[in-house]
Amino acid sequence: QVTLRESGPALVKPTQTLTLTCTFSGFSLTTGGMSVSWIRQSPGKAVEWLARIDWDDDKYYSSSLKSRLTISKDVSNNQVVLTLTNSDPEDTATYFCARINVLLTGTPVFDYWGQGTLVTVSS
Amino acid sequence: DIQMTQFPSSVSVSVGDRVTITCRSSQGINTYLNWYQVSPGKAPRLLIFGAFSLQSGVPSRFSGSGSGTEFTLTINGLQPEDFGSYYCQQSYDNFLTFGQGTRVEVK
Repeated sequence: QVTLRESGPALVKPTQTLTLTCTFSGFSLTTGGMSVSWIRQSPGKAVEWLARIDWDDDKYYSSSLKSRLTISKDVSNNQVVLTLTNSDPEDTATYFCARINVLLTGTPVFDYWGQGTLVTVSS
Repeated sequence: DIQMTQFPSSVSVSVGDRVTITCRSSQGINTYLNWYQVSPGKAPRLLIFGAFSLQSGVPSRFSGSGSGTEFTLTINGLQPEDFGSYYCQQSYDNFLTFGQGTRVEVK
């Protein structure tokens, strides 16, 4: 059974660095074809893809946020960490992590998602 | 980045209605187009991948079509649990962009 769970601070001050952790089970990021992505949804706004890390440690970032994002993985603990520097109220959103299994679907789709964690950026 | 444009942005419907949502890409993406349902308080759900392949466990009232730059998600016989928002997402390249979403509301 595949599960993903996001964790992190509920409140962050502007200019601070936001660090989010995705803890997953039911698959391994050492398996070829597996990836984990971070996606967010700001209140009343569209879903936005942020970053992706692959089993071979390839990393991809949203063009608009690339300078502020870092994604990394800890395979021994089945975790993926996302950091977002210089937080702004515009970063207030529910942050989701999701799995990609290219071997199953043939294309990078998000087949399992976490429930999301709400982060508010405010002083 | 490939831009995804969805329309309508919202639609008001009744249970049992047929709903059609369109998604256009800024460049050709073959059939690398996926659809998701996003509802408040729930984990988003993959509905369709590869433009027309139904994800396991998704009811057959959902269907997808299209290729190139224009795609459609159809819900035949809308059920109460189908109210929410729907997003298309391209997987043609490694920067996995979403459309702006379509909200399906109660008429």
